[in-house]
Amino acid sequence: SAVISQKPSRDICQRGTSLTIQCQVDSQVTMMFWYRQQPGQSLTLIATANQGSEATYESGFVIDKFPISRPNLTFSTLTVSNMSPEDSSIYLCSARQGTSYEQYFGPGTRLTVT
Amino acid sequence: KQEVTQIPAALSVPEGENLVLNCSFTDSAIYNLQWFRQDPGKGLTSLLLIQSSQREQTSGRLNASLDKSSGRSTLYIAASQPGDSATYLCAVDAYNTDKLIFGTGTRLQVFP
Repeated sequence: SAVISQKPSRDICQRGTSLTIQCQVDSQVTMMFWYRQQPGQSLTLIATANQGSEATYESGFVIDKFPISRPNLTFSTLTVSNMSPEDSSIYLCSARQGTSYEQYFGPGTRLTVT
Repeated sequence: KQEVTQIPAALSVPEGENLVLNCSFTDSAIYNLQWFRQDPGKGLTSLLLIQSSQREQTSGRLNASLDKSSGRSTLYIAASQPGDSATYLCAVDAYNTDKLIFGTGTRLQVFP
């Protein structure tokens, strides 16, 4: 199994600013992902974080708004840029060893934009 | 396009009851199916993973079954307890996407 930590656990930010969320896994993993969970909703995949290359974004999400880095096999960051109240959500980091393996999640970052 | 649905959306039961949560998916081409638990405002905890070649998995009071041909999975919780109160999510690992596709969730409340 993998243990995933995220920082910060929560934040309140002003409109127009940016926030970077960090994700740390306690072991090397092949695949890392970032999800968004809006209030009362299920999880929506934002992007797959690729080690050493650009992230793969899902439909509706763009790099300018959600830049992602993954410098190695245990760490990734997600930045939420030029925030608006609609970005208020829980952002979750996830990881697994490969396709068909069990997937693990971090505790999430609760973001409120005022 | 793979779609995952969970029924019921919400469930409230007295302590001690056995209960069944349902998950259905539209495309049977999956590697596996995972059940998760999410407490309010928290991340997801993995409960059970069923590979496509398996019929069921058990962990303590939890038993999950998979019928890939009919696109269905059930999560059975025996002798429910107030501590089981949470949202339960199923997710399928689809062949053609390399990513998990989540269901809509079932919000469970177990009252004393």
